[in-house]
Amino acid sequence: NAGVTQTPKFRVLKTGQSMTLLCAQDMNHEYMYWYRQDPGMGLRLIHYSVGEGTTAKGEVPDGYNVSRLKKQNFLLGLESAAPSQTSVYFCASNLFANTGELFFGEGSRLTVL
Amino acid sequence: SQQGEEDPQALSIQEGENATMNCSYKTSINNLQWYRQNSGRGLVHLILIRSNEREKHSGRLRVTLDTSKKSSSLLITASRAADTASYFCATDEGYSTLTFGKGTMLLVSP
Repeated sequence: NAGVTQTPKFRVLKTGQSMTLLCAQDMNHEYMYWYRQDPGMGLRLIHYSVGEGTTAKGEVPDGYNVSRLKKQNFLLGLESAAPSQTSVYFCASNLFANTGELFFGEGSRLTVL
Repeated sequence: SQQGEEDPQALSIQEGENATMNCSYKTSINNLQWYRQNSGRGLVHLILIRSNEREKHSGRLRVTLDTSKKSSSLLITASRAADTASYFCATDEGYSTLTFGKGTMLLVSP
């Protein structure tokens, strides 16, 4: 099993460009999450989904949009990238909330110039 | 905002020594989890302790939870160079999400 797969792993954008990060999980998990990790800040939740067709805002949702059209995929979009969105983005999933461990992808490193 | 706060921010020890890191949190929780992150990699779940548990073991890991003090500790016994990583606590407050702390960077020297 691949677990949680993120694409792309690296991307450089110019300010104002748009892009989409894809997260795919093959564990039939209901819950999926997007976090960003910045030095000294730990992980902060951007958006999450409790099931296919649902999304909800996390701690730092501004500037991002998400979609969960299929249960196995969770997309994170940046409509107009800003340098403040330079970060490492992590996708995670679990079967149900509050039942235990999150399974993380390997991360997507985004640089906005 | 961050719920868990790890202490110390960084820890440097020799192989064979024990490593202890602490996590403090602010509100009531259902459970608390510890994760490890190797450099450049995703986080990996280590152990979960529920609010009605006081201590839990997994291999060389020992986790304690004191809900009255709103704190948890992670002890790694007989550390190895391969234990070098960042360690994060994460709290489950009963919503659909986990809240992560800022992490402790552990360096284990051979």
